[in-house]
Amino acid sequence: QKEVEQNSGPLSVPEGAIASLNCTYSDRGSQSFFWYRQYSGKSPELIMFIYSNGDKEDGRFTAQLNKASQYVSLLIRDSQPSDSATYLCAVTPSGGSQGNLIFGKGTKLSVKP
Amino acid sequence: DVKVTQSSRYLVKRTGEKVFLECVQDMDHENMFWYRQDPGLGLRLIYFSYDVKMKEKGDIPEGYSVSREKKERFSLILESASTNQTSMYLCASISRIYGYTFGSGTRLTVV
Repeated sequence: QKEVEQNSGPLSVPEGAIASLNCTYSDRGSQSFFWYRQYSGKSPELIMFIYSNGDKEDGRFTAQLNKASQYVSLLIRDSQPSDSATYLCAVTPSGGSQGNLIFGKGTKLSVKP
Repeated sequence: DVKVTQSSRYLVKRTGEKVFLECVQDMDHENMFWYRQDPGLGLRLIYFSYDVKMKEKGDIPEGYSVSREKKERFSLILESASTNQTSMYLCASISRIYGYTFGSGTRLTVV
């Protein structure tokens, strides 16, 4: 069973701090990794994707990938109350079956003013 | 930007009714997906389709069927709605580079 694991949280950080969200995956053959943000009652929206080991930065967001450790993380710098949401990690399984993604259950982030 | 449109945001149906959830995407994507999302259970794949008239079962297909007569439209059918199908239903299409784009979701309540 290919799995993606995330701490469900809630993760609570003060405004302006760095929020660190973590994700591990079981399928060593996974090649593509995605982070989605989901506000309460809304659908998930893509915020970052990463394919290569290392860091990828986009504004206040940094995705980090370590394929050897089967670990992907999302850092949010200068956290804002508007970042309060559930963050879903998703990976493509090996075998690439028609583009399916495997999702974690999400980490709920709360940024306190 | 890819747009995925789900026809209804909220639906209330009675037990035993046949329910149709419609999804349309405007980017000529081949692969489309239906998920349901429940608290504590995350996203669970119901069905997906990689071409017109093609469909594949996901992890929880029981009680559901799908239809893909045109490339842009993927419909989810609840043959006989039951209360345990009360959920948020999400449709998505996929780009190889950008992953999924989700529709806005349909919150279905079966009473």
